[in-house]
Amino acid sequence: EVHLVESGGNLVQPGRSLRLSCTGSGFTFGDYAMSWFRQAPGKGPEWVSFIRGKAYGGATEYAASVKGRFTISRDDSKGIVYLQMTSLKTEDTAVYYCSRFLEWLLGLDYWGQGTLVTVSS
Amino acid sequence: EIVLTQSPGTLSLSPGERATLSCRTGQSIPSSYLAWFQQKPGQAPRLLIYGASSRATGIPDRFSGSGSGTDFTLTISGLEPGDSAVYYCQQYGGSAGFTFGPGTKVEIK
Repeated sequence: EVHLVESGGNLVQPGRSLRLSCTGSGFTFGDYAMSWFRQAPGKGPEWVSFIRGKAYGGATEYAASVKGRFTISRDDSKGIVYLQMTSLKTEDTAVYYCSRFLEWLLGLDYWGQGTLVTVSS
Repeated sequence: EIVLTQSPGTLSLSPGERATLSCRTGQSIPSSYLAWFQQKPGQAPRLLIYGASSRATGIPDRFSGSGSGTDFTLTISGLEPGDSAVYYCQQYGGSAGFTFGPGTKVEIK
């Protein structure tokens, strides 16, 4: 059974950094693209970043709102995708979810339970 | 960036009725790029439909998707109390990532 578990969320001051992790199990991790989303309180989901699977060269993409501040990476040997967040702003406060992306079906089929990031002084 | 609009904002229906949710995209997109999600409070989004009309694994056939171009529809037949949720349409934009609509809240009376 496929499972995704996020971790690393915390309360952090503006301007500081934080690294989120998403651990996958129940599937061949390296074969899949993985994506990060976030959802601020009372808002809809917002795409943050994705990283393609090894068949697509592990290419990365970012939303304009986080480009240059966030970095996505993956360790396929451990089944983990990371989101390194720097220069955090109050507007980055949200629940962050990771999701598996089926590139051949264009479907985000499995999601983790989310981890809360609060940026506040 | 392609903007998605959803209507209505809220739908209040009785058990057994049919819900029809609309999603309109700002420009024509391939049907393969359109998906629908269900989200209940405190939970992650759940994939219902991908490719505009294909049900995801484990999704009952009460949920169906249709449409093309700029107009897409999610239909929920035989509403059950557990269908109370916010429903989002989502489009895949290639290197531009993913965009969600504002959502339709379905309330079961």
